[in-house]
Amino acid sequence: DIQMTQSPSSLSASVGDRVTITCRASQSISSYLNWYQQKPGKAPKLLIYVASSLQSGVPSRFSGSGSGTDFTLTISSLQPEDFATYYCQQSYSTPGTFGQGTKLEIK
Amino acid sequence: QVQLQESGPGLVKPSQTLSLTCTVSGGSISSGDYYWSWIRQPPGKGLEWIGYIYYSGSTYYNPSLKSRVTISVDTSKNQFSLKLSSVTAADTAVYYCARDRGYSGYDPPDYWGQGTLVTVSS
Repeated sequence: DIQMTQSPSSLSASVGDRVTITCRASQSISSYLNWYQQKPGKAPKLLIYVASSLQSGVPSRFSGSGSGTDFTLTISSLQPEDFATYYCQQSYSTPGTFGQGTKLEIK
Repeated sequence: QVQLQESGPGLVKPSQTLSLTCTVSGGSISSGDYYWSWIRQPPGKGLEWIGYIYYSGSTYYNPSLKSRVTISVDTSKNQFSLKLSSVTAADTAVYYCARDRGYSGYDPPDYWGQGTLVTVSS
């Protein structure tokens, strides 16, 4: 299985901050990297697919980049509703493995 | 807009079989445009992909669960189902059904059910 490693595991930030979360794959996954947001008690929500494509309805302050093994999710200006846990997932090969998550908390 | 809803017992005894059904509304499994997935999340932990199915019945399973998992589809009812045999406490999790963005094998889930907690305990 392809291992996905996110950093940091947790992050404190303030409303209006620019935040970057990174995800590294144990082998090249081309651009088949997806990002999800999950709030407590809710299902994950797809934000970004194939590394940089914004899912319909997702605010433009979310962006993704990267290819190969290294990827980033950037939130350009944090809003109160963005405090959540973020997961990356590779869909290059089955099983589609997830990162361990990054919990974004209010500073 | 497509909606998915999981249903099934919330409590399963060790060594028994966990059975869940996902009912799809607002879209047809028979369209052939998507894979349909199961994903689980142990309490307080991360996400694990279980497997997916195509409307034709073709399936792909996580190798770590393959010996115990069966995913099936009933297009007449617009439902797909998960069976996980020989469960232990380690199978306690919130189970999600989801629709993938496509059927290329590279498409991530974009529509998810609300999830259902299944506890394995005697």
